[in-house]
Amino acid sequence: KAGVTQTPRYLIKTRGQQVTLSCSPISGHRSVSWYQQTPGQGLQFLFEYFSETQRNKGNFPGRFSGRQFSNSRSEMNVSTLELGDSALYLCASSLDRFQETQYFGPGTRLLVL
Amino acid sequence: KNQVEQSPQSLIILEGKNCTLQCNYTVSPFSNLRWYKQDTGRGPVSLTIMTFSENTKSNGRYTATLDADTKQSSLHITASQLSDSASYICVVSLMDSSYKLIFGSGTRLLVRP
Repeated sequence: KAGVTQTPRYLIKTRGQQVTLSCSPISGHRSVSWYQQTPGQGLQFLFEYFSETQRNKGNFPGRFSGRQFSNSRSEMNVSTLELGDSALYLCASSLDRFQETQYFGPGTRLLVL
Repeated sequence: KNQVEQSPQSLIILEGKNCTLQCNYTVSPFSNLRWYKQDTGRGPVSLTIMTFSENTKSNGRYTATLDADTKQSSLHITASQLSDSASYICVVSLMDSSYKLIFGSGTRLLVRP
């Protein structure tokens, strides 16, 4: 069974631009969560999608948004990029919301110049 | 406030030695506690998950313990190998409809030959 895949793996953008990251969960998994990881802040929860609905949201500004499609694939969008948005963005999937184990993808490393 | 604190921040040990990483939490209501291993540049991988009623759980050379009364957990690594060099993250799950995960900042372990 294929694992969680994320595209692109690396991305360079400039301030003010917007970016869309994609996540394909493990087949059959319906819950997708997104996290931001920076050296200074560690792993921080962005949001969780389940059955195409956002079920939970972390403490990030409205520039960060996401959506989930009927096939459970998810996208995350960041508008008006700031230098501080440079980070590793991780996606994790699980069977359902209360499934014990989350499986993480390799992440998308975003650099904002 | 729901928090997860890990210690030490970083640790260097010699190959073949044992080590113990600590995790203290103030999360309530508590659902489960997870330990993840994250290699540099990769997504976290689940090592163990323990619910309130479990005191210990093993995964190969990794053994996690949980004391729900004192709200402490530890991850013990036996006979360390060079491949154990990674960050180890403690994550506590809230037992409510939010399904929120509270992340520790991690312990960075370096195993030297």
